[in-house]
Amino acid sequence: NAGVMQNPRHLVRRRGQEARLRCSPMKGHSHVYWYRQLPEEGLKFMVYLQKENIIDESGMPKERFSAEFPKEGPSILRIQQVVRGDSAAYFCASSPQDGVEQYFGPGTRLTVT
Amino acid sequence: QKEVEQNSGPLSVPEGAIASLNCTYSDRGSQSFFWYRQYSGKSPELIMFIYSNGDKEDGRFTAQLNKASQYVSLLIRDSQPSDSATYLCAVNPGGGADGLTFGKGTHLIIQP
Repeated sequence: NAGVMQNPRHLVRRRGQEARLRCSPMKGHSHVYWYRQLPEEGLKFMVYLQKENIIDESGMPKERFSAEFPKEGPSILRIQQVVRGDSAAYFCASSPQDGVEQYFGPGTRLTVT
Repeated sequence: QKEVEQNSGPLSVPEGAIASLNCTYSDRGSQSFFWYRQYSGKSPELIMFIYSNGDKEDGRFTAQLNKASQYVSLLIRDSQPSDSATYLCAVNPGGGADGLTFGKGTHLIIQP
């Protein structure tokens, strides 16, 4: 499967726990984007990364959220001390370069109980 | 604040007819434009992208871009029941800020 991969597909966390979401871009893609889709709301950009660099994190909440894309391995979106309002679908997308089409992974559905 | 506006629908179209979906955007400097299809509970699937003024056709789909009017549209010819989904318009502002700005989507229903 050469598409964008995300895991886990479903994640349940209790309030106060940490959530780690992983994303492997399509083969040949070095640009990774994270988006969040809250129930009944549109997709919202969170962060844009290239290998070992955060390019744009203007959509990321200032506290509890962080992202990385190491030299080796998948990109990780980390949410510390989760709250019920973090329950959403988190999608990762990748592209081969700036400004071109982005392809989405299947998403991680996070439920905070 | 950069905005992308779409009519939420539902837009109901008979099978075999042309479905026309519209989108306006606020950032005049936007560089590239995308249409995604999203089925309920699934991830967005890229349908069309367009970077220049005019029309771009791919199979049953045609994307139209008018930068002067800040308007993007998607036409679906010979609509099929399987085209029933939410269609998301997305805009890339360019200039290194590559995060897409999405509209809230238009819910399209193709009536058999």
